[in-house]
Amino acid sequence: AQSVSQHNHHVILSEAASLELGCNYSYGGTVNLFWYVQYPGQHLQLLLKYFSGDPLVKGIKGFEAEFIKSKFSFNLRKPSVQWSDTAEYFCAVNAGGADGLTFGKGTHLIIQP
Amino acid sequence: GAGVSQSPSNKVTEKGKDVELRCDPISGHTALYWYRQSLGQGLEFLIYFQGNSAPDKSGLPSDRFSAERTGGSVSTLTIQRTQQEDSAVYLCASSLGLAGVGTGELFFGEGSRLTVL
Repeated sequence: AQSVSQHNHHVILSEAASLELGCNYSYGGTVNLFWYVQYPGQHLQLLLKYFSGDPLVKGIKGFEAEFIKSKFSFNLRKPSVQWSDTAEYFCAVNAGGADGLTFGKGTHLIIQP
Repeated sequence: GAGVSQSPSNKVTEKGKDVELRCDPISGHTALYWYRQSLGQGLEFLIYFQGNSAPDKSGLPSDRFSAERTGGSVSTLTIQRTQQEDSAVYLCASSLGLAGVGTGELFFGEGSRLTVL
């Protein structure tokens, strides 16, 4: 079974700082990769996804992620964060199994004004 | 409806009581998932329904947990004889098809927060 590891459980940044959240997965076959975000008091929503093609994918609100197959990684990046980016970020992988998406434990991001 | 609807949004119960949590998926979505979100534990898969097929119950943590989906739409997650460790946010998600494949993106509800005293 696949697993997902998010290395940073809590990240605190100042506004305008650059962001990179790590995500590694364990599965040797073809995968579909996702980042979901949960803003305070809101439901989980899709930030971006990778199925195939260009390994650099762009999502909403200026976020992007790069799939590096050799490193089994799908790190999330944003060049300049805003206070409104404060949220919980979840990386997820699907390897075609019936259990849908396997999620990492999440990274709690706090942006200080 | 416009999105996945869950009820109740908050439930406080006493240890040993049974609880029912309801999920109304997006109209036309054939796949429905239940996840459990505990502090610092991410999202734990519980059960998956696809159309009228038998559900995948492989994620249910014990036989106190059960779920059903009536008419391929609304789903109810039942927890019998609740324990304090059942306290968590229970999330429901739906998708057009198998999650993560093609356009099978998961759409989540706002969750039901269960507190067992």
